[in-house]
Amino acid sequence: EIVMTQSPGTLSVSPGEGATLSCRASQSIRSNLAWYQQKPGQAPRLVIYGASTRATGIPARFSGSGSGTEFTLTISSLQPEDFAVYYCQQNNNWPLTFGGGTKVEIK
Amino acid sequence: EVQLVESGGGLVQPGRSLRLSCTASGFNFGDYAMGWFRQAPGKGLEWIGFIRSRSYGETTEYAASVKGRFTISKDDSKSIAFLQMNSLKTEDTAVYYCTRDPRGYNFGCPYFDYWGQGTLVTVSS
Repeated sequence: EIVMTQSPGTLSVSPGEGATLSCRASQSIRSNLAWYQQKPGQAPRLVIYGASTRATGIPARFSGSGSGTEFTLTISSLQPEDFAVYYCQQNNNWPLTFGGGTKVEIK
Repeated sequence: EVQLVESGGGLVQPGRSLRLSCTASGFNFGDYAMGWFRQAPGKGLEWIGFIRSRSYGETTEYAASVKGRFTISKDDSKSIAFLQMNSLKTEDTAVYYCTRDPRGYNFGCPYFDYWGQGTLVTVSS
């Protein structure tokens, strides 16, 4: 099973500032990585797939990068609606696995 | 508009069974593979199972934690996916989500573009 590790666990950011979230895989997953956003009481929402492709309706301030074992989700200028928990998910091998999440909170 | 609506959750005793349904609309259900996930209270996301479309034999994949106890199926004529959960344990308590794999092909492993709102399953005596 591929273990996904996200850091930091919590990121405190002021609105308008940028944020960088990290996700590491225990073995190479090529570019088979998705990012999801989850707000309290809501279902997850796909943000990025294929490590760097924005999902439908996702603003351009969200960008993904990386391949192999190291990945990054960058939010260039945080808007109030961006404060949430973000999860990475590998879709390279079964079983599908998630990182533990990064909570982006208002500073 | 794509919609996924889960139903069937509730309180169930350990060892008993429960069947969840996921009613889909807004897309050609039969052309898509579907996934099931869960999230225990205050915890992260866990993938539990996946069913391919009819074009790929409706074959399934399961997480080790549920394999042999949970079964996924789908009724394309009614646009419904099912999660049959047997021999439930207290650690199965979670919100259960159904999801859609947008890729439309069987190569590789999926990610998921639409999620239902979830249904809460509580396993307790």
